[in-house]
Amino acid sequence: GNSVTQMEGPVTLSEEAFLTINCTYTATGYPSLFWYVQYPGEGLQLLLKATKADDKGSNKGFEATYRKETTSFHLEKGSVQVSDSAVYFCALSDYNQGGKLIFGQGTELSVKP
Amino acid sequence: EAQVTQNPRYLITVTGKKLTVTCSQNMNHEYMSWYRQDPGLGLRQIYYSMNVEVTDKGDVPEGYKVSRKEKRNFPLILESPSPNQTSLYFCASSLSTGGLYEQYFGPGTRLTVT
Repeated sequence: GNSVTQMEGPVTLSEEAFLTINCTYTATGYPSLFWYVQYPGEGLQLLLKATKADDKGSNKGFEATYRKETTSFHLEKGSVQVSDSAVYFCALSDYNQGGKLIFGQGTELSVKP
Repeated sequence: EAQVTQNPRYLITVTGKKLTVTCSQNMNHEYMSWYRQDPGLGLRQIYYSMNVEVTDKGDVPEGYKVSRKEKRNFPLILESPSPNQTSLYFCASSLSTGGLYEQYFGPGTRLTVT
């Protein structure tokens, strides 16, 4: 079945450091890929998405490219801020399975001043 | 303001005492879903609904019930809660089914069953 694997956290960085959170997936069809972010005490919010191979999603300085050949969707940001501290979830959704999101286990990011 | 609301936000209860967690959205979305979040497991879908009176099981439906009598509401019912249902629960909605639509999440309900 479909699945998502993320790098384990927590990840601790200094402000202005480069961020990469790895995400790989297994899917039988042609999924859409998402990154959701969960700030402390809040629900999840969509950060970015990509719906087909080689698409790049971007938002708030974050980027991720849908790589079908490596089945990956790694999240990157060139310069993190303290306000980026949150839990990041990679997810996929297969059209043939309706609207179900399949999530990775989440990666906690902590950015220190 | 477009939003998904859940109530209560926090609940402590005892084994076997029936409870309902409400979920409401004001975006006229067709698709609604319930997830539970557990450490190290991410979020897992409990039940979903594609429209009024249409519901179906997700990946972890045991011990839960849902109903969709109105488009905006999608309550989660625990008829006889057990300690293994202690978790953080999220309701979500999206415009329609399919993998292309953003899902909007509520703020979460933290449930503790003793």
